[in-house]
Amino acid sequence: DGGITQSPKYLFRKEGQNVTLSCEQNLNHDAMYWYRQDPGQGLRLIYYSQIVNDFQKGDIAEGYSVSREKKESFPLTVTSAQKNPTAFYLCASSMSGDEQYFGPGTRLTVT
Amino acid sequence: KQEVTQIPAALSVPEGENLVLNCSFTDSAIYNLQWFRQDPGKGLTSLLLIQSSQREQTSGRLNASLDKSSGRSTLYIAASQPGDSATYLCAVRGYNFNKFYFGSGTKLNVKP
Repeated sequence: DGGITQSPKYLFRKEGQNVTLSCEQNLNHDAMYWYRQDPGQGLRLIYYSQIVNDFQKGDIAEGYSVSREKKESFPLTVTSAQKNPTAFYLCASSMSGDEQYFGPGTRLTVT
Repeated sequence: KQEVTQIPAALSVPEGENLVLNCSFTDSAIYNLQWFRQDPGKGLTSLLLIQSSQREQTSGRLNASLDKSSGRSTLYIAASQPGDSATYLCAVRGYNFNKFYFGSGTKLNVKP
């Protein structure tokens, strides 16, 4: 059963704490992406990775960090430097920029 | 920078009606365009992918068209059903490898 998994589904943190969101895919896709979605808005690209051990900043990378040590995994860390981290986070993957497939999302709430 | 716009932001129709959702983009140099469906609190589900060399794609009751020269795509839904109620988003991929640009979506409500 191929697809993209994200965990946890819901995440609650106190302000000032770093938190890591998990994203795993078994589609053998080269490229992986992290997006942020705020209410009533489209998706904004945080980071993307085309191959293992390589990643690029998207449009809103400040306050976030990623790693790509394995093809299947692309975890996102939301650091305390992110000023407004409460949002819905979506992970996606594609084969060489073709059709994108999305995970179910993680809703992060920081209080 | 590529800007993607979807109008209207919300649409309410009675069941059985045919409808068209619009997506416009500012830079016609796109590699492909993808339509997605998003249910509340869920991830995005891919509906149709149109490559830049194609004019349209069909899947069941859905038909998506692409006019690169005018910077527009439409998603046609035939014989709408209450289960079609969701937010529909379009995304364009430019030749800047692996970057996709999303519209803010059209929230569709199909009334029984």
